Amino acid sequence: AQSVTQLGSHVSVSEGALVLLRCNYSSSVPPYLFWYVQYPNQGLQLLLKYTTGATLVKGINGFEAEFKKSETSFHLTKPSAHMSDAAEYFCAVRWGGSQGNLIFGKGTKLSVKP
Amino acid sequence: DTAVSQTPKYLVTQMGNDKSIKCEQNLGHDTMYWYKQDSKKFLKIMFSYNNKELIINETVPNRFSPKSPDKAHLNLHINSLELGDSAVYFCASSQDFGGARETQYFGPGTRLLVL
Repeated sequence: AQSVTQLGSHVSVSEGALVLLRCNYSSSVPPYLFWYVQYPNQGLQLLLKYTTGATLVKGINGFEAEFKKSETSFHLTKPSAHMSDAAEYFCAVRWGGSQGNLIFGKGTKLSVKP
Repeated sequence: DTAVSQTPKYLVTQMGNDKSIKCEQNLGHDTMYWYKQDSKKFLKIMFSYNNKELIINETVPNRFSPKSPDKAHLNLHINSLELGDSAVYFCASSQDFGGARETQYFGPGTRLLVL
């Protein structure tokens, strides 16, 4: 079955440090890829997505992600963490076709230390 | 002017009760979804409606019944609530279900606690 794996359920970084959140998917068929952020007690907000074209995708709040087909990965990065980045981050994938569900990873909680 | 709204935000109820959660989107989208987020934050799709027609019905107990009176609304009715139904339920919408690249827009969630 197709699946999404987020390595590390909890990542802690210092303010100003690099943020790296990992996401891998299971299929050799490239999916459409999404990163969502969930702030405490709120709904999910789209950070960025990859559909076609340039493999490095820039999103909101200074985040970006790179689609690497050979590694079946779509890792999320931000050069310099800010306190306001503390949240839960979800990688999600969807394969084409009318019955394709959006499949979520289990999420990575990002903590930012002052 | 919230894009996807849900009511209520919090719902505390007793086992065995019947409750409904409402969802409305003002984005003009054709497709709406219900997701369940469990205590470990895992998100899983429950239902999807496209133009008021049921498209996806994952393995969900038939105590859960979605109803879409029009394209802008997708309500979730739950009968005979059980402890295991405690979770956060998210409504979402997208322009077109058939477009896998379509962004889904999520509501703020309804936190259901069954006692």
